[in-house]
Amino acid sequence: DAGITQSPRHKVTETGTPVTLRCHQTENHRYMYWYRQDPGHGLRLIHYSYGVKDTDKGEVSDGYSVSRSKTEDFLLTLESATSSQTSVYFCAISESLPDTQPQHFGDGTRLSIL
Amino acid sequence: GESVGLHLPTLSVQEGDNSIINCAYSNSASDYFIWYKQESGKGPQFIIDIRSNMDKRQGQRVTVLLNKTVKHLSLQIAATQPGDSAVYFCADSPTGKLIFGQGTTLQVKP
Repeated sequence: DAGITQSPRHKVTETGTPVTLRCHQTENHRYMYWYRQDPGHGLRLIHYSYGVKDTDKGEVSDGYSVSRSKTEDFLLTLESATSSQTSVYFCAISESLPDTQPQHFGDGTRLSIL
Repeated sequence: GESVGLHLPTLSVQEGDNSIINCAYSNSASDYFIWYKQESGKGPQFIIDIRSNMDKRQGQRVTVLLNKTVKHLSLQIAATQPGDSAVYFCADSPTGKLIFGQGTTLQVKP
């Protein structure tokens, strides 16, 4: 299994609070991604990173920000959580571009916003 | 926008039979296709991929077939086992990023 650790694995919080999810990899892969998974929508890309301090928006980036200060860590922040952000969040990594090599996923963070 | 769809939300097969999971894509510019398996409570696990210059690729007990004429992708699992029970996703990459379908749940009956 790819060395990807997501933390926390579960979190319950209240609307309006800030939340940060962490993805840590031990594979030294250049590319990292954050997805959310919801019933009826499949996996949707939130943000991705193609190197330290290099990030870009995905399909559903509104309300989310990311940071990557080290190769191994990619943080996803919900500045002011809303109930619509209740979801399962997955981090993924890949050695090269997403249309050339498979991405490998962590086991997810289940986030509930009340 | 781009969408990748699977024909059936649920597929039920007998243990030992072969399974075929189908997927349709809409963008003929897609060059890379991939299948994932997701077990309950876990992240998607890479199964097999294929590029558009190929029609078929085989792995261990799995085969992916690509028909570019009708924009159709399928995953064949030989001698299906209880451990194959999971949700299977296809994804393609028309714009350089992966676009995922919604998944087919494979149920294996003993």
